[in-house]
Amino acid sequence: QVTLKESGPVLVKPTETLTLTCTVSGFSLNNTMMGVSWIRQPPGKALEWLAHIFSNGDKSYSTSLKNRLTISSDSSKSQVVLTMTNMDPVDTGTYYCARSRPFTWYYEFDFWGQGTLVTVSS
Amino acid sequence: DIQMTQSPSSLSASVGDRVTISCRASQRISSYLNWYQHKPGNAPKLLIYGASRLQSGVPSRFSGSGSGTDFTLTISNLQPEDFATYYCQQSHTTPMFTFGQGTKLDIK
Repeated sequence: QVTLKESGPVLVKPTETLTLTCTVSGFSLNNTMMGVSWIRQPPGKALEWLAHIFSNGDKSYSTSLKNRLTISSDSSKSQVVLTMTNMDPVDTGTYYCARSRPFTWYYEFDFWGQGTLVTVSS
Repeated sequence: DIQMTQSPSSLSASVGDRVTISCRASQRISSYLNWYQHKPGNAPKLLIYGASRLQSGVPSRFSGSGSGTDFTLTISNLQPEDFATYYCQQSHTTPMFTFGQGTKLDIK
């Protein structure tokens, strides 16, 4: 079955770089039109889309965060990696990775990881 | 960027009620609108995609409608497990996406 699992540090210091890994199973990151996004939720706030990568290598970033984000994938490891530079306490929250379903044309997120809580504090 | 605005931000209802949640896009997005249910401590769950298509396994009391800029999620005959926060999300500008600010549905 399809699963996604986020991993990374629980605590980072302000100004540090965060690296999160999404390990997927049950599908290949090489499949046509396959895509994975990173989405976060600060405590008590709404979901916020961060970045997306497609199997053909196309990438996109949130306009407000694009200068701080890098998304990449390694299909041999079934992993999608997100790095976010210059972390700040406002970046505290739960970070999710989610698959965009191919071939429906609506790119809905049909499978999500359970999320990983990242706290930014000195 | 396309902005998504949900209303209301919060809603109280009783088991058995019918509720509607609205989502408005800042520009036309055709039917590229998806709805999710999110409960604390859980991953968001896809309910509706393409504005009106019910995700497999989701109860038929959930329905979606709309096109262009105005969309609605309707839950008929509310059940205890339906109390959660609901989000709309546009995918018209794939691979860039936007979520609404969420609607929290709680028990009256």
